[in-house]
Amino acid sequence: NAGVTQTPKFQVLKTGQSMTLQCAQDMNHNSMYWYRQDPGMGLRLIYYSASEGTTDKGEVPNGYNVSRLNKREFSLRLESAAPSQTSVYFCASSRTGANSPLHFGNGTRLTVT
Amino acid sequence: LAKTTQPISMDSYEGQEVNITCSHNNIATNDYITWYQQFPSQGPRFIIQGYKTKVTNEVASLFIPADRKSSTLSLPRVSLSDTAVYYCLVGTSNFGNEKLTFGTGTRLTIIP
Repeated sequence: NAGVTQTPKFQVLKTGQSMTLQCAQDMNHNSMYWYRQDPGMGLRLIYYSASEGTTDKGEVPNGYNVSRLNKREFSLRLESAAPSQTSVYFCASSRTGANSPLHFGNGTRLTVT
Repeated sequence: LAKTTQPISMDSYEGQEVNITCSHNNIATNDYITWYQQFPSQGPRFIIQGYKTKVTNEVASLFIPADRKSSTLSLPRVSLSDTAVYYCLVGTSNFGNEKLTFGTGTRLTIIP
């Protein structure tokens, strides 16, 4: 049982390049989330998908797009990377319901030069 | 949603019991309290959740006084492997997890 799997683990981009971060979960969860974590800071929500077919903006959505490909997969795309997007990106999933614990992947460490 | 305040860092020796207190003065009736643990280079991991009084699982205990304005995560007999950042979150059953706010957490360092 893999839980939440993120790829790649590390990525270096030049300013202006694009890339897609992949996330998949095998727990049959309805809700999926993308967070970023900057050094010494807590996690900030970028986008979330409450259920298959829906996506909504979180706290810091600018510069990102998402796709909920199916129930298992939720991808995050950077169309034109900027140094300010250097961060560690975490994907998470949970069952429907406010009391449901979040299950996180191990993150993608992205550096934009 | 209720704002939480917790110590920035704590040190403890191996074998001791560690208590991390979180303040959430404006917690609402429908709010519940959840704690996560994060090791370096990993995503946060759910530890425990509670609404009132005391909750215990195989990892930790959570103490919530009657007024619910604070909560205390208790880790029994800590080891070096408990060195991590601990986050206290307050969420409401009126919304999903998208409303949860992760603060900077408490960085717990266990000393040999």
